[in-house]
Amino acid sequence: QSVLTQPPSMSAAPGQKVTISCSGSTSNIGKNYVSWYQQLPGTAPKLLIYDNNKRPSGIPDRFSGSKSDTSATLGITGLQTGDEADYYCGTWDSSLNSGVFGGGTKLTVL
Amino acid sequence: EVQLVESGGALVQPGGSLRLSCAASGFIFSSYSMNWVRQAPKKGLEWVSYISASSGIVHHAESVKGRFTISRDNAKNSLYLQMNHLRDEDTAVYYCARDILGRGDGFEIWGQGTMVTVSS
Repeated sequence: QSVLTQPPSMSAAPGQKVTISCSGSTSNIGKNYVSWYQQLPGTAPKLLIYDNNKRPSGIPDRFSGSKSDTSATLGITGLQTGDEADYYCGTWDSSLNSGVFGGGTKLTVL
Repeated sequence: EVQLVESGGALVQPGGSLRLSCAASGFIFSSYSMNWVRQAPKKGLEWVSYISASSGIVHHAESVKGRFTISRDNAKNSLYLQMNHLRDEDTAVYYCARDILGRGDGFEIWGQGTMVTVSS
């Protein structure tokens, strides 16, 4: 049981837009910054978004992040087949004094 | 090139010990907080441990508290995870990850991972 809640799977057609939700509580998302990761099969995770909505160098602006109260959202526009991956949200939990992740969302681009 | 390379993963019996290492290169290691994150087979990511740049602040997940210890040697550009009293549920790929802003909430550089299997 993950501290952060994500939908297990989502699907969309190439070229479309998808939004992946991440729900938490006042001790984690409500108090701290959210990051998002993409994990392609058989590879290490890759940071897509940090500080709720910032993109590291090299991440295209098709990827965006937002946060409101105790929830966060990852948006991906102009979906490509190469975007098929698992996506995870993460943050710090001030009550647990630990990092926490969502259970992951498997995105299918069909 | 900024790089993290983990090593030390192995097959170990329940109750055994293992020490993982993470060699950093291409950046000033002593300036960054570091983390260990693990992923059990076919499962999601689980944060394990955090250590600040100077080793002054350390945090461990409840699931490993009292059994695992994170440490670092800035002179050797290396991060470690000492794992004792290993359990079946510790079986996972272990990643070291550089913290983007030192708060334990954003991991910008990841290693390729090292596999730890706990089984009799």
